[in-house]
Amino acid sequence: SAVISQKPSRDICQRGTSLTIQCQVDSQVTMMFWYRQQPGQSLTLIATANQGSEATYESGFVIDKFPISRPNLTFSTLTVSNMSPEDSSIYLCSAETNREAFFGQGTRLTVV
Amino acid sequence: DQQVKQNSPSLSVQEGRISILNCDYTNSMFDYFLWYKKYPAEGPTFLISISSIKDKNEDGRFTVFLNKSAKHLSLHIVPSQPGDSAVYFCAAYSGGGADGLTFGKGTHLIIQP
Repeated sequence: SAVISQKPSRDICQRGTSLTIQCQVDSQVTMMFWYRQQPGQSLTLIATANQGSEATYESGFVIDKFPISRPNLTFSTLTVSNMSPEDSSIYLCSAETNREAFFGQGTRLTVV
Repeated sequence: DQQVKQNSPSLSVQEGRISILNCDYTNSMFDYFLWYKKYPAEGPTFLISISSIKDKNEDGRFTVFLNKSAKHLSLHIVPSQPGDSAVYFCAAYSGGGADGLTFGKGTHLIIQP
């Protein structure tokens, strides 16, 4: 099993600024994902974080807005750039290895 | 402290029979429950949900039952098909979801021919 540490757990940010969310796994994992969960709604996959290469983005999400890094098999970051109030949401990191999936506790972002 | 528990890591069911996946929770503030299905190397996909004001919700082959007094919910899949083989996650939130989903650890469902 794997334990995911996601930071920060919450933040309030000014519009136009950027926030970087970190996801640290306590063991090497094959795949890492970033999701958005807007209040009362289901998860929306933003992108798959690929180790050593550019992330794979889902429709509606672009690298300029949500740059993602994955320098190794245990760590990834998601940046929410040039934030607007519409970006207020919960951002969730997930990891998968050996056919098991694990979820972080999420980052609650409020943009004012 | 695990607030959402899926006590069966795996479940094997014959094709055509009923699959029953169970989930227990401890937080009495949870008021909305969701089931996700996940294939290897893919993100989870939403299956079905239920509000705490209901005790049953049905969508095609999938039915979710909620027993609030027992803090227990279950997902029934009838009839089970080979494509149902996946990991199923139970998730819950309270107060409109502002604090995010709390996930169980998942149950790996294997449908045998």
